[in-house]
Amino acid sequence: AQRVTQPEKLLSVFKGAPVELKCNYSYSGSPELFWYVQYSRQRLQLLLRHISRESIKGFTADLNKGETSFHLKKPFAQEEDSAMYYCALRARSGGGTSYGKLTFGQGTILTVHP
Amino acid sequence: DTGVSQDPRHKITKRGQNVTFRCDPISEHNRLYWYRQTLGQGPEFLTYFQNEAQLEKSRLLSDRFSAERPKGSFSTLEIQRTEQGDSAMYLCASSPRSGQFSTDTQYFGPGTRLTVL
Repeated sequence: AQRVTQPEKLLSVFKGAPVELKCNYSYSGSPELFWYVQYSRQRLQLLLRHISRESIKGFTADLNKGETSFHLKKPFAQEEDSAMYYCALRARSGGGTSYGKLTFGQGTILTVHP
Repeated sequence: DTGVSQDPRHKITKRGQNVTFRCDPISEHNRLYWYRQTLGQGPEFLTYFQNEAQLEKSRLLSDRFSAERPKGSFSTLEIQRTEQGDSAMYLCASSPRSGQFSTDTQYFGPGTRLTVL
């Protein structure tokens, strides 16, 4: 079974400050990790995935298999980053085929103050 | 709007009634997922389809729940004899399937908020 834990329900920072949203997972196999974001009155949307190793809107996340973590980071937070952030895991077989479902954490509400 | 659509957006029903939700995925996406989200929690997987085949069902999906995707396009989720504990946001998502090392993105709909009185 897989599990995703986001230890912080709420996170507040000031504009321009660094931000880190924590995500830890448990899964015995090879996972795919994602960050999804939900802005106010909008639908859930993909922010980034560990496979892509890309930076989206200044956010990055590195998969640390030793610590089973996938923390989301941004060096300088902006007010428009205020949103709900979900970390999610998708199981993947040893052959690389993914099992479709996503397992989500409880989410972290990020508030960036001016 | 070419995104995933869900209907209705809100549903209020009395305990014991049956309800049905519809999801229209992005055109040509052959995978379709249903999730349930209760207050303060992340989405929880219910079931998913590849084309018309239902490939996986969560233990959350009791006998009162049934999902279909008869022609491999839109899907319906029916809840029979609703209970107050069924009150939640029901989310639908769709994705393409892009091969063995699937990197398909799940695109979510706006959800249907169910309130059972």
